[in-house]
Formats: sequence, structure tokens, C-alpha cells
Amino acid sequence: EIVLTQSPGTLSLSPGERATLSCRASQSVSSSYLAWYQQKPGQAPRLLIYGASSRATDIPDRFSGSGSGTDFTLTISRLEPEDFAVYYCQQYSSSPYTFGQGTKLEIK
Amino acid sequence: QVQLQQSGPGLVKPSQTLSLTCAISGDSVSSNSAAWNWIRQSPSRGLEWLGRTYYRSKWYNDYAVSVKSRITINSDTSKNQFSLQLNSVTPEDTAVYYCARAGGVGGTWKGNWFDPWGQGTLVTVSS
Repeated sequence: EIVLTQSPGTLSLSPGERATLSCRASQSVSSSYLAWYQQKPGQAPRLLIYGASSRATDIPDRFSGSGSGTDFTLTISRLEPEDFAVYYCQQYSSSPYTFGQGTKLEIK
Repeated sequence: QVQLQQSGPGLVKPSQTLSLTCAISGDSVSSNSAAWNWIRQSPSRGLEWLGRTYYRSKWYNDYAVSVKSRITINSDTSKNQFSLQLNSVTPEDTAVYYCARAGGVGGTWKGNWFDPWGQGTLVTVSS
């Protein structure tokens, strides 16, 4: 089973700032089969990024993903008020399909 | 646009069976380019993928080892829906349960990322 470790656990930033979230895998994620999700309280997760760097439909271009192998990054270039939420990475390289524990992005 | 609508009880007694259904609109449960998944979320376990069902000339299932002895995921083509059954539940199975589609768009299988998700069902295991 591939274990995903996200850092930091909590990130405190202000609107307009840049956010960089990390996801590290316990073994290589083949073909960059990694996705990112955003979750707000009381809602289901929403897909942001798949294939490590492809934005999902209707996702603003301030969200970008990068990385390969075992190290992946989600970047939000300029934070909007609606971006403060919890973010999860997920690998679909091999079953079982696992998630990271999440990074909470909070308003500073 | 694919939408998933979950239904099922929010309270299950210990040792009994948890049963949830996910109705699909905008796609077919027997699509050759999709897989239909169940995922749960709890404070102690985080997001946990439980299993999936999919059709590729015949039906396949794929389950997480942690629940493999207790889980069944079925499809109902007449109602265009799929279901989760989890047997012998304990309080540790208390969680929000989600159904989700995998496969991407465009008519060919792309990968097992999850989009869209159902609205979630809080299931509490308690007597």
C-alpha cells in the first residue's frame, strides 16, 4: 500500500498570498497518477487536479499541480477567500487507492 | 453532467449490515469507461477507499483489504445504481460514506481519480 504524507498539517496565509502544499509518497507513483481535492466543511471533496498537473473542469488557473515519482506539489498562486479549506492528495497508481491525511489552509 | 444521489439509513446497530445505494444520472453503471466506488471518511481513519465495481464485458469488483471479508458492492442496471453492503459493523465503522465515479471523461478509461462524488451519508453504528 502506498502511504501519502502531506505537509504542512496546517498552513496559515492571507488572501492574495501564494500557497504551496506538499504530498510525499512512500513509493514511486507511476505515470504521475496523483490527484488533488479540496474539501469544505459539510461538503464532499471536489476534484482539482488529476495526472499530477491537469486541472479538472472549471477549476481556476490559480490552482496548479506539479511533481513526479514520490514528491508532488499543489500551488495556489493568489489565494482567494473561497480557497481556505482542507486539501487532500490521492494516488491511483495501485490499489488500494490511498489518500493523504490532509492540509488545512486557514486564514491568517 | 454526471450526478450521484445517495440513500440509506443513518443509524445501524452493531453486528448488523450497513446498506447504502448510489443512484446515477448522466452516465450508465455499465459504462466501459467508468468505475463506481465507495469511500468513507472519519476523524480516526481519514479518507479511506473501500472498493469499486466496474463493467468490462463482465462485472469486476475490487475491495480494500481492510474490509474485504465484510464488503459487497453490487450494481443494478435496471435502476442504474450501485450499492454498498458492509456486514458485522462495529462503532469503528461510524463514518461519512461517499459514492464516487472514477474514469475521467471522454469515453475512454483514464484512471481511478474520483469525480464526481455523492453528497455523503453519515452512518452511525450504535445500539
